[in-house]
Amino acid sequence: AQSVSQHNHHVILSEAASLELGCNYSYGGTVNLFWYVQYPGQHLQLLLKYFSGDPLVKGIKGFEAEFIKSKFSFNLRKPSVQWSDTAEYFCAGKGPGAGNMLTFGGGTRLMVKP
Amino acid sequence: DGGITQSPKYLFRKEGQNVTLSCEQNLNHDAMYWYRQDPGQGLRLIYYSQIVNDFQKGDIAEGYSVSREKKESFPLTVTSAQKNPTAFYLCASSIQTQETQYFGPGTRLLVL
Repeated sequence: AQSVSQHNHHVILSEAASLELGCNYSYGGTVNLFWYVQYPGQHLQLLLKYFSGDPLVKGIKGFEAEFIKSKFSFNLRKPSVQWSDTAEYFCAGKGPGAGNMLTFGGGTRLMVKP
Repeated sequence: DGGITQSPKYLFRKEGQNVTLSCEQNLNHDAMYWYRQDPGQGLRLIYYSQIVNDFQKGDIAEGYSVSREKKESFPLTVTSAQKNPTAFYLCASSIQTQETQYFGPGTRLLVL
């Protein structure tokens, strides 16, 4: 079965610290990968996505993610976090033959201390 | 404004009662989805619909039912057969041939 895993369930950082959230997927072949963010009380929003091409993907609000096929990973990074980045982050993926069905990771709650 | 609306934001029901959650979109998207979000488990797909009058079960369809009579509407009914219905329910939609899903604000259901 296709799966997406996020190993960090809770992360606490101070402002200006660097962020890296892990995401691993279990399937081979062509994959589409996404990072979504859910700010407190707000909609789930798309941060960035990877379909093909450059494995380093830039998203909104200074976030980026790198697709590393050999490691089945799609980690999310930000060089310097802000208090406003406090949110829950979800990695999601779609493998071959899955149609439009996305598989989500369990989410990572990030708290940034001012 | 274009987007996805879900109502109500909070819903309380007694155990054993069916309840219907609303999802409407004016994005002209063909595909619509229902997810359930529980702490630490991410989002799990309940049902999805790729076109009007058609829908498919997702990973956790037991105890739920849907209909897709109009392109813009995809209501979800949580039946009394659902063993643990208290959760946060998210609706999403996407253009049929693209992969990005856009989400509504969610409905928090509490069964007492």
